[in-house]
Amino acid sequence: KNEVEQSPQNLTAQEGEFITINCSYSVGISALHWLQQHPGGGIVSLFMLSSGKKKHGRLIATINIQEKHSSLHITASHPRDSAVYICAVRTSGSRLTFGEGTQLTVNP
Amino acid sequence: DTGVSQNPRHKITKRGQNVTFRCDPISEHNRLYWYRQTLGQGPEFLTYFQNEAQLEKSRLLSDRFSAERPKGSFSTLEIQRTEQGDSAMYLCASSLVWTSGGGSTDTQYFGPGTRLTVL
Repeated sequence: KNEVEQSPQNLTAQEGEFITINCSYSVGISALHWLQQHPGGGIVSLFMLSSGKKKHGRLIATINIQEKHSSLHITASHPRDSAVYICAVRTSGSRLTFGEGTQLTVNP
Repeated sequence: DTGVSQNPRHKITKRGQNVTFRCDPISEHNRLYWYRQTLGQGPEFLTYFQNEAQLEKSRLLSDRFSAERPKGSFSTLEIQRTEQGDSAMYLCASSLVWTSGGGSTDTQYFGPGTRLTVL
């Protein structure tokens, strides 16, 4: 069993829909990251959080440390949001352990 | 462009050859990380440096792999005697961590990656 599990693996939505991607982890962490990866490999860090909730534009990330669970929400989704969204946790030192990613496709 | 850069972007090699990749981090960043990502999977940690010191290595980093960061700036990742299983995207990231007061952003900024294909 992976230390970081994401669901769903694939998600297709219509433009404008509210999207939720989930991440569960089984280890103690010091922080959790949400990353976005576009075709061709480029990875962008969206959020780093260790408690509570963060919001940036149409993106919202929440974390529940007791339940070892985090969610990434996208409001008013747009085709340009189509990408792979990756959850990663920081355990010892600076090592990141990554989930397998959620492939999001937003259709116009 | 002041982001993380990696060279080459693509490398095709024959099994048994040696390859070397380079990563140039964001200039003031003291930490540099190497990850490997195979198709359809999330990245996997390989190793990281704080300045020129290699602080942690994954068990994925076999003795055919070696990484250096000689002056605490750019880093190289060398794979000797490549195997087909080494085919992957090799990602580099950098971050700024300061020790005074134990503060850290540790937001990792990723490069575009080097895609290695071993024939």
